[in-house]
Amino acid sequence: RKEVEQDPGPFNVPEGATVAFNCTYSNSASQSFFWYRQDCRKEPKLLMSVYSSGNEDGRFTAQLNRASQYISLLIRDSKLSDSATYLCVVNINSWGKLQFGAGTQVVVTP
Amino acid sequence: DAMVIQNPRYQVTQFGKPVTLSCSQTLNHNVMYWYQQKSSQAPKLLFHYYDKDFNNEADTPDNFQSRRPNTSFCFLDIRSPGLGDAAMYLCATGGGGTPSTDTQYFGPGTRLTVL
Repeated sequence: RKEVEQDPGPFNVPEGATVAFNCTYSNSASQSFFWYRQDCRKEPKLLMSVYSSGNEDGRFTAQLNRASQYISLLIRDSKLSDSATYLCVVNINSWGKLQFGAGTQVVVTP
Repeated sequence: DAMVIQNPRYQVTQFGKPVTLSCSQTLNHNVMYWYQQKSSQAPKLLFHYYDKDFNNEADTPDNFQSRRPNTSFCFLDIRSPGLGDAAMYLCATGGGGTPSTDTQYFGPGTRLTVL
């Protein structure tokens, strides 16, 4: 079993719609969780950290479910510029080693 | 304003010809990481430096080496590149707080082609 698993997609989303997807992780001791965004042939960029209580940043909402060991990302009012691959990232040890999922591709269409 | 800089952005080398990729940072972070990312795959950690302490991942081939002469710079040396080493190489930095909760900041990457 992979340490971080994501649905690769693609999720084809009409502009203005809402899209949500999950990520599951295997290490119950993980303490930090992140969503990174990666555009084609570019570096990953931090989208948001995920806190225990869930958090929102504009149109983006992240949720953490420790009991079921999954993280979710919801994008509201999708924009064309939201088209990217979203990487679920989990800290898996005490010195900050991150385990990346392979990413979920989102394609927002006009 | 660039915080993590990688050079070159694109590198073409021949099979077996050594190549060095460089990374520099202006964040004064004490941790620097090197990742390899192949198409449609997750970034894979090769090794990291915590200050001057080098930490190799167990499955990183001996063909990959690294040097960190000072806080700002870190190098990735590929001694004898094979066709399977063609990938994007990402440098990242972290630090300034508890490592387990630090985020990592990525450079733009170096795309390596092996002919």
